[in-house]
Amino acid sequence: GDSVTQMEGPVTLSEEAFLTINCTYTATGYPSLFWYVQYPGEGLQLLLKATKADDKGSNKGFEATYRKETTSFHLEKGSVQVSDSAVYFCALSGRGSARQLTFGSGTQLTVLP
Amino acid sequence: SQTIHQWPATLVQPVGSPLSLECTVEGTSNPNLYWYRQAAGRGLQLLFYSVGIGQISSEVPQNLSASRPQDRQFILSSKKLLLSDSGFYLCAQGQSYEQYFGPGTRLTVT
Repeated sequence: GDSVTQMEGPVTLSEEAFLTINCTYTATGYPSLFWYVQYPGEGLQLLLKATKADDKGSNKGFEATYRKETTSFHLEKGSVQVSDSAVYFCALSGRGSARQLTFGSGTQLTVLP
Repeated sequence: SQTIHQWPATLVQPVGSPLSLECTVEGTSNPNLYWYRQAAGRGLQLLFYSVGIGQISSEVPQNLSASRPQDRQFILSSKKLLLSDSGFYLCAQGQSYEQYFGPGTRLTVT
């Protein structure tokens, strides 16, 4: 079945540092790929998405590129802020009729001032 | 725009008691609806999904059940809660490749 493997956390960075959170996937066909963010005590928010190979999703300074050849969708940000502290989830959407999402285990990011 | 309401926001229930969590969606019609559970410090597990009124698919065997009595209402229930049912329950809706999540219900079973 489909699966998503995320870089294990927690990750602690200083403000303005470069961020990379690795994500690789296993799926049949060509899934859509997502990054979701969860701030403390809240639900998940869609951060960015890519629906086909070589697509780059971007939002709020975060970027991720759909790499079919390496089955990866790594999240990057050039300069993190304290407000970026959250849990980040990589996910894929299969091609079933209900478009179920398969999530990675999440990566806790803490940014220190 | 789409809005997802979940009720209640927090809940503390004793083992063996019943459960009913409600999710309602605004701003869309005939959405796919989903229930996820997030155990402490862990990822999200899909529990149920529904592609229409009265249509429920279960992803994992458990003592929970789901119902969709109306197009934009999704209910998660249990007759007798277990300690292992504690967690953060998230309702989501989607119509294409994206899913949008509600604020969640934090359930503590004591």
